[in-house]
Amino acid sequence: EDKVVQSPLSLVVHEGDTVTLNCSYEVTNFRSLLWYKQEKKAPTFLFMLTSSGIEKKSGRLSSILDKKELFSILNITATQTGDSAIYLCAVVGGTSYGKLTFGQGTILTVHP
Amino acid sequence: NAGVTQTPKFQVLKTGQSMTLQCAQDMNHEYMSWYRQDPGMGLRLIHYSVGAGITDQGEVPNGYNVSRSTTEDFPLRLLSAAPSQTSVYFCASRGLGGGQPQHFGDGTRLSIL
Repeated sequence: EDKVVQSPLSLVVHEGDTVTLNCSYEVTNFRSLLWYKQEKKAPTFLFMLTSSGIEKKSGRLSSILDKKELFSILNITATQTGDSAIYLCAVVGGTSYGKLTFGQGTILTVHP
Repeated sequence: NAGVTQTPKFQVLKTGQSMTLQCAQDMNHEYMSWYRQDPGMGLRLIHYSVGAGITDQGEVPNGYNVSRSTTEDFPLRLLSAAPSQTSVYFCASRGLGGGQPQHFGDGTRLSIL
């Protein structure tokens, strides 16, 4: 059975801090790993990672995948209160059309 | 751009009632799926479909039915609601090609009394 585990489950920081969120996985026929940010409503797409060691970057957010050790990290530098959200990691694996398996999510709270 | 549209946004049901959650997408995506989200458990896959006429079970299918008569629509049916089905439900869609992220609807918050 495919499994995705995120850590920590929750994190409280102050504005300006840097945070690292972790995602480890066990998936048959790995195809890609995705990061989503969820505020009040639907998860919104952040990154898709398919190759090891290649960093994806968007502003203060960056992510990297290690397919040998089966994990990914999401870094957020100079955090802002607007970064407060649930961060979800999901892995696509299995059959050719790729079913997504989600982790439990990390609840990030950024205080002013 | 409508994207993925879910209705209703909120619903309260009594135990034993039936209900259909609607989901429609206008991106011509082949793959559509339903998730439920409960505190501390992330998103769990209920059912999914890779095209019209094709559906399959996900991780937590019991108590739910789906059908896919068109590419655009993927309704989720609760035949006899139970309090354990109180949750937030998300519909999502994506294309089948490699490297396609999922697009989510805004969710339906369902309470079963």
